Amino acid sequence: GDSVTQTEGQVALSEEDFLTIHCNYSASGYPALFWYVQYPGEGPQFLFRASRDKEKGSSRGFEATYDKGTTSFHLRKASVQESDSAVYYCALGSLSGSFNKLTFGAGTRLAVCP
Amino acid sequence: GGIITQTPKFLIGQEGQKLTLKCQQNFNHDTMYWYRQDSGKGLRLIYYSITENDLQKGDLSEGYDASREKKSSFSLTVTSAQKNEMAVFLCASSIPTVSNERLFFGHGTKLSVL
Repeated sequence: GDSVTQTEGQVALSEEDFLTIHCNYSASGYPALFWYVQYPGEGPQFLFRASRDKEKGSSRGFEATYDKGTTSFHLRKASVQESDSAVYYCALGSLSGSFNKLTFGAGTRLAVCP
Repeated sequence: GGIITQTPKFLIGQEGQKLTLKCQQNFNHDTMYWYRQDSGKGLRLIYYSITENDLQKGDLSEGYDASREKKSSFSLTVTSAQKNEMAVFLCASSIPTVSNERLFFGHGTKLSVL
């Protein structure tokens, strides 16, 4: 079945550091890829998505490029802020009949110190 | 814009108790979902519903029932709470017709079983 692997369970950075969170997927076909972010006390919220090879998704300074060759969708940000502290989920989506099936990774907790 | 409201925010139960979680959405979305969130395991799908009175089992449906009596509401029942169980249950909704459409989540119900 489909699966998503996030390598880092936790990441600790200082403000203005460069961020990379690794995401690799395994799926048949051509899934859509997503990043969601979850702030404390809230539900996950959509960050951005990409649907085809080499497509770059981006939002709020975060970006990721769909790479079918390496089956990856790594999240990057050039300069993190304390307000970016949250849990980040990589997910893949596929349409099954009329149902959007999202398969999530385990999540990566980002802590940014001022 | 719309909102997903989950009630209650916190739920404390006793072992063996039947517990019901409620979810309301005003997006007018057809599809609704219940996910379970455990630390280090990401989000796992319990039940989903593609329209009023429809119910479909997800990957983690054992021990749960669901009900979708109206388009705007979707409830989840823990049929017999397990001792020391602790998890967050997230409700979500989406438009089902596009394969890469995003999910909108509520803030969650945090369950603790004594």
